[in-house]
Amino acid sequence: KAGVTQTPRYLIKTRGQQVTLSCSPISGHRSVSWYQQTPGQGLQFLFEYFSETQRNKGNFPGRFSGRQFSNSRSEMNVSTLELGDSALYLCASSLAGGLAGVTVYEQYFGPGTRLTVT
Amino acid sequence: QKEVEQNSGPLSVPEGAIASLNCTYSDRGSQSFFWYRQYSGKSPELIMSIYSNGDKEDGRFTAQLNKASQYVSLLIRDSQPSDSATYLCAVIYTGNQFYFGTGTSLTVIP
Repeated sequence: KAGVTQTPRYLIKTRGQQVTLSCSPISGHRSVSWYQQTPGQGLQFLFEYFSETQRNKGNFPGRFSGRQFSNSRSEMNVSTLELGDSALYLCASSLAGGLAGVTVYEQYFGPGTRLTVT
Repeated sequence: QKEVEQNSGPLSVPEGAIASLNCTYSDRGSQSFFWYRQYSGKSPELIMSIYSNGDKEDGRFTAQLNKASQYVSLLIRDSQPSDSATYLCAVIYTGNQFYFGTGTSLTVIP
């Protein structure tokens, strides 16, 4: 079974621009979560989507947004980029809905998108 | 405040020794706990999940959970240089939102 894929793998943008990152979850997984990872802050939760609905949201400004499509693929968008947005953006997918009555929570990460803002 | 605490390390152990990684969490109601391994420049990789008090073993890895003490640990037996990585503890508090610790850096010395 193919793993979580993220595109693009690397991005260089300038301040003020916007960016869209894409994530394709493991087949059958309906939950997609997004994280920002920086050396100083570790893994910070951005938001989680389940069946096209945002179910959880972290403490990030409104410049960070996301959506999920009917095929569970997800995108996140960052508008008006700032230097501090330079980070590794990780997507993780999960069944998160139960399998034969057992709720399965394990999250599996994609390779990430390395965003550099100059 | 939902917190997951780990010693940042670095933790160094000789090859063949047991590495012990510890994690505490703040919400007594948490039910789901995970350990991830992250190599430098790579994304986190799931090693173990544990949901019940006690030990869970998978090869050289053993996860231990003590909900009364709000403590989860990971033991790596017969440590190998390839185990050198950052180990992240994660806890689900509500719904499906994961909270991650900042990680413990492990170095296995040949």
